[in-house]
Amino acid sequence: DSGVTQTPKHLITATGQRVTLRCSPRSGDLSVYWYQQSLDQGLQFLIHYYNGEERAKGNILERFSAQQFPDLHSELNLSSLELGDSALYFCASSTLAEPQETQYFGPGTRLLVL
Amino acid sequence: AQSVTQLGSHVSVSEGALVLLRCNYSSSVPPYLFWYVQYPNQGLQLLLKYTTGATLVKGINGFEAEFKKSETSFHLTKPSAHMSDAAEYFCAVSGHNNDMRFGAGTRLTVKP
Repeated sequence: DSGVTQTPKHLITATGQRVTLRCSPRSGDLSVYWYQQSLDQGLQFLIHYYNGEERAKGNILERFSAQQFPDLHSELNLSSLELGDSALYFCASSTLAEPQETQYFGPGTRLLVL
Repeated sequence: AQSVTQLGSHVSVSEGALVLLRCNYSSSVPPYLFWYVQYPNQGLQLLLKYTTGATLVKGINGFEAEFKKSETSFHLTKPSAHMSDAAEYFCAVSGHNNDMRFGAGTRLTVKP
């Protein structure tokens, strides 16, 4: 158990809908990262938040957004969903925002868009 | 921009045999390199990482990796495979803005 929690574990929705994925980092960690894992694209970095502020953006679509709240939990919002958004979404956390730090991954949210 | 290439999407070894999973990186700055393991229906778990210093890095479960700058490689090895090592392994490089780039992954199968 990494100490990172993600809810829900599974999510099934329809095209065009909007969903919110939630992540709680390990106690004391200030950084949260979001990743998407799909069969065709592999593991892709989406976005990084540190202590409530966006620090880096990766291959995140404009239909996707994220935020980190004062209690340090984070939410990833996916809107106007398409079939191709079906994937496993991971969040990870680290203590600070240093690139050499270990990132601790949650168990993921499996999203299926029908 | 940093990137990694994992050679071989699928590696199969017999129990007790040497495990060698290959990773080559590309980076314009000194890289921070990681190996993660993913078991079915689970998140990723860090096996080991190279930041600075000793180029031979020891990790959990008997795995180790050697950073070779001249070959831009960070191959993962384990002297003797165990059935419990069957999983997907990911090599990753972290850029200085924390955007970790993962390889495509190598699925390790261990035959009895």
